[in-house]
Amino acid sequence: GAGVSQSPRYKVAKRGQDVALRCDPISGHVSLFWYQQALGQGPEFLTYFQNEAQLDKSGLPSDRFFAERPEGSVSTLKIQRTQQEDSAVYLCASSLGHRGYGYTFGSGTRLTVV
Amino acid sequence: AQTVTQSQPEMSVQEAETVTLSCTYDTSESDYYLFWYKQPPSRQMILVIRQEAYKQQNATENRFSVNFQKAAKSFSLKISDSQLGDAAMYFCAYEVGSRLTFGEGTQLTVNP
Repeated sequence: GAGVSQSPRYKVAKRGQDVALRCDPISGHVSLFWYQQALGQGPEFLTYFQNEAQLDKSGLPSDRFFAERPEGSVSTLKIQRTQQEDSAVYLCASSLGHRGYGYTFGSGTRLTVV
Repeated sequence: AQTVTQSQPEMSVQEAETVTLSCTYDTSESDYYLFWYKQPPSRQMILVIRQEAYKQQNATENRFSVNFQKAAKSFSLKISDSQLGDAAMYFCAYEVGSRLTFGEGTQLTVNP
């Protein structure tokens, strides 16, 4: 596609529910990133894929967070047993894999846990 | 710890005037890249300008330019001839490895 597509745009979950957030990167982009942006803050790194390999997951805040990219294209970020502190915008970005050229970001999914 | 500091939570500028947004960072790395991103209410982060740390020449992109002071670890953004469409949240960031570290942002208002 022309850009990075994320769905859903908004998600409201009851505390304790599981959620799945989808990211469809730009075709041909080998690198894919997930960031978490709390209200009024800058985005914070969660995890990074190169093709289907998850090379860095050090930013995932707990074992309730899980990301996958099984075929090296679409990625899903799953949050189990959601808690109120998980409320944030989740941004996905992709790139060709060359450092220093910046990433193309999607418009994010705003997750609200009630 | 590697950090990025944007000391101006909010800035305002008159249309057609010039504004400078400040950013300082702290890293022990020697090989890194610096960026300014713009985030309008649509939430999409849009790349404004980039700078390689090993280059002394300041990057310029149309009305946007940076003042990169490597020794001081300072990376400010200058917007010339400000336009109403420039109003947004601006984030400074650096890239080490395959990870971006962002500041907390500066909300820019452009007054007509």
